[in-house]
Amino acid sequence: EAQVTQNPRYLITVTGKKLTVTCSQNMNHEYMSWYRQDPGLGLRQIYYSMNVEVTDKGDVPEGYKVSRKEKRNFPLILESPSPNQTSLYFCASSHETGGLEQYFGPGTRLTVT
Amino acid sequence: KQEVTQIPAALSVPEGENLVLNCSFTDSAIYNLQWFRQDPGKGLTSLLLIQSSQREQTSGRLNASLDKSSGRSTLYIAASQPGDSATYLCAVGGPTGGGNKLTFGTGTQLKVEL
Repeated sequence: EAQVTQNPRYLITVTGKKLTVTCSQNMNHEYMSWYRQDPGLGLRQIYYSMNVEVTDKGDVPEGYKVSRKEKRNFPLILESPSPNQTSLYFCASSHETGGLEQYFGPGTRLTVT
Repeated sequence: KQEVTQIPAALSVPEGENLVLNCSFTDSAIYNLQWFRQDPGKGLTSLLLIQSSQREQTSGRLNASLDKSSGRSTLYIAASQPGDSATYLCAVGGPTGGGNKLTFGTGTQLKVEL
């Protein structure tokens, strides 16, 4: 089954404790990205990757890091989480060209206390 | 900077009614427009993708139209059912970041009542 998976689905952590949210897709997509969803603000792009070893900032990259060492994986790293990073996070993937239909993971709800 | 607006923010209708959700965007130089459904606490399910060269797409009881020149899209839901209750999100691809970068509206929360 074609899908985007994220882990963990729920995470409660404390300020400053480094964490990683994993994202994996099995559709051989070149393009992967991370979004955060906040009430009243909609979904906003954090980082994206056009292909392996190619990453760039989205609209709200501050406080986040990413890496793309393999085509299927695109982890989101919060090196020193703060309460304003409490949010619902989504990973998405698509082909780089063509129809560009985006496929989203199930989301990770992060709470930073 | 692309901005996407969805009206209304919330909508409640009786079962069986046909309804229209609206989406507008400020920059017409888009690559595509995608409608999603989001259930509470769940991820996003893609409903319809319209390329910039297309005027509409249909899937079952859903029909989405696109008018690039006026910066508008509508999602038409025929014969609504309680199972259609969800938040519907409109997202446009481009112009910045290519067609892959989506700019989202804040959604229309739909409730279909028995």
